[in-house]
Amino acid sequence: KQEVTQIPAALSVPEGENLVLNCSFTDSAIYNLQWFRQDPGKGLTSLLLIQSSQREQTSGRLNASLDKSSGRSTLYIAASQPGDSATYLCAGPPDAGKSTFGDGTTLTVKP
Amino acid sequence: KAGVTQTPRYLIKTRGQQVTLSCSPISGHRSVSWYQQTPGQGLQFLFEYFSETQRNKGNFPGRFSGRQFSNSRSEMNVSTLELGDSALYLCASSEPGAGYTFGSGTRLTVV
Repeated sequence: KQEVTQIPAALSVPEGENLVLNCSFTDSAIYNLQWFRQDPGKGLTSLLLIQSSQREQTSGRLNASLDKSSGRSTLYIAASQPGDSATYLCAGPPDAGKSTFGDGTTLTVKP
Repeated sequence: KAGVTQTPRYLIKTRGQQVTLSCSPISGHRSVSWYQQTPGQGLQFLFEYFSETQRNKGNFPGRFSGRQFSNSRSEMNVSTLELGDSALYLCASSEPGAGYTFGSGTRLTVV
């Protein structure tokens, strides 16, 4: 059974800092990993989907990597802004109906 | 390409009543999964349907049920509502390799 863990649970940084969010998973057979953003009271917005063959995906100031051998994925946010404040979740693939979401990291970027 | 549509967006019900929530997935997606999210809690997996069959179910009482129709639209039903059922209910559609796409959610308040 795939288990996904996110550390830290909360993170507060000053505006302009570069930061890294971590996601660990137990099943190295994972074939993709997805990062989401959730604003309070809203649904989840997909940020990046990394296929195992790609190992890395970039979108604007966001860069996500996937290392199956170590069971880790990281989301790198460059030059953080107050608008980046949200909860970030990672998820393994929707494999045979098993939910594989981490509990998220709540990011606060202070002006 | 239309996204995932959840209806209604907001709902207020009285304890003891029942409620039905609807989710229309992205066209072509055969999997629909449902989640409950309460303040301060992570995503709690309810169940997942694939091609009209329930593939997996989370740890929720039998008052929570669902179904999926031949057009992949899914409904979730909660009977005998309790105050603790007040939550944001999210659905996500997916296809193998495509990752999850979430709807905006239904905010249920039980009074």
